[in-house]
Amino acid sequence: ETGVTQTPRHLVMGMTNKKSLKCEQHLGHNAMYWYKQSAKKPLELMFVYSLEERVENNSVPSRFSPECPNSSHLFLHLHTLQPEDSALYLCASSQQGLHSGANVLTFGAGSRLTVL
Amino acid sequence: AQSVSQHNHHVILSEAASLELGCNYSYGGTVNLFWYVQYPGQHLQLLLKYFSGDPLVKGIKGFEAEFIKSKFSFNLRKPSVQWSDTAEYFCAVKFSGAGSYQLTFGKGTKLSVIP
Repeated sequence: ETGVTQTPRHLVMGMTNKKSLKCEQHLGHNAMYWYKQSAKKPLELMFVYSLEERVENNSVPSRFSPECPNSSHLFLHLHTLQPEDSALYLCASSQQGLHSGANVLTFGAGSRLTVL
Repeated sequence: AQSVSQHNHHVILSEAASLELGCNYSYGGTVNLFWYVQYPGQHLQLLLKYFSGDPLVKGIKGFEAEFIKSKFSFNLRKPSVQWSDTAEYFCAVKFSGAGSYQLTFGKGTKLSVIP
């Protein structure tokens, strides 16, 4: 265990469903991230939350919406997804602030999403 | 736009062979450099990092990487690989300036070590 816990580990959903991915970090870190990992593509940053700000990748479709109720919890709400959204969704956290060059990410094990 | 390139998609080696995985980035400014590893079925974890100082950095499990600024490279090396090194390796760069909040990852190199 890395200190970053993601649930569920596997999720299968239809295109009309609404589901959520959950991430919890037990490290006292200040920033949390959602990444999308697809085969043969670089990891894609989707959203970042930190004490200072929220940042989002403008290319992420609105069918993905993040929520960060506190510094330890992060959600990714999913609705009306498409089959091409099937991927491994990784949560990460970092101790340093958003713009620190010393940012080292600690990743969770990921949530494998399949959209039918 | 800043980018990170990993030259090899899949590398297959026999045990005890030497390893070098290439990583290049396109940016002339200050960078922080990372290698992450993802073992089969496990989470991504940090292998080593370079922020400043000695350009030859040592990481866990006998890995090392050398930052060559003039070549915009940060290649990963290991003198003698083991079967347990079978994994996917990701180079990542934190660029300074606008958008400096994020790590830019390469596509990854899958390493298969044959016993």
